[in-house]
Amino acid sequence: RKEVEQDPGPFNVPEGATVAFNCTYSNSASQSFFWYRQDCRKEPKLLMSVYSSGNEDGRFTAQLNRASQYISLLIRDSKLSDSATYLCVVNIGNTGKLIFGQGTTLQVKP
Amino acid sequence: DADVTQTPRNRITKTGKRIMLECSQTKGHDRMYWYRQDPGLGLRLIYYSFDVKDINKGEISDGYSVSRQAQAKFSLSLESAIPNQTALYFCATSDFRTGQETQYFGPGTRLLVL
Repeated sequence: RKEVEQDPGPFNVPEGATVAFNCTYSNSASQSFFWYRQDCRKEPKLLMSVYSSGNEDGRFTAQLNRASQYISLLIRDSKLSDSATYLCVVNIGNTGKLIFGQGTTLQVKP
Repeated sequence: DADVTQTPRNRITKTGKRIMLECSQTKGHDRMYWYRQDPGLGLRLIYYSFDVKDINKGEISDGYSVSRQAQAKFSLSLESAIPNQTALYFCATSDFRTGQETQYFGPGTRLLVL
C-alpha cells in the first residue's frame, strides 16, 4: 500500500465547476499536511497547508479527517488556470521528511 | 533571482558516465533535499541533509551520492549513470529552525541517460 494515495485522474471539468480531490495516508504519526500544485514540467509549489479544523483560501478549501486518515481539496468556480496536477503531501512524524502522493491531474475546459 | 536554482536544467549523458547536478539556495534554509520524479511514481526522496555535517539516505539512494559543500549548496552525483536514472530531478529546501516543514523546490533538472 502506498503511504499517500490519490486518484491520478485526469479530472476533466468545465469552467465554473466545483471539483473535489481526495487523498488517504497510511502513517498515523503524520502531523502536517499540505496540498502542492505542479504545472506541467515545472516544480511543485505549495498551494496550502491543511489544518485540523479545515481551512479556506479563496476558492480553495482543504479538509482533514484524522480518524479516517483522509485529506480533501475542494476547488470552487474552476478557472482555466487551475489546470495542473495537485499533490497531496504529508510529513512522517518529526523526521523533517515529506511523502508526496503521485498527484491528481485537473483539466479545466472552456 | 530564483531562491533555489539548479544546474544544469537539461542534461543528456551516456551510460557509465559520472555526472553532477548542482543546487544552490539563497533562502538561508538549513535543510536540503534531492528528489526524482518519474511518471506515475510521484516524487521520491534520494538524499537529504539537515545541515552541512548531516547527510541521510532517502528511499532510493542506490547509485547516487551527495555533497553538502556549504549551507547553500547541495550537489547530487550519479557515479555511473544508467538508463533507468533518466528522470526529472528536483532539489528542495526547508527552514526547520522556524518549525516550518514547507519545502521549496528548484526548477528541476531533466536528465536523459542513453
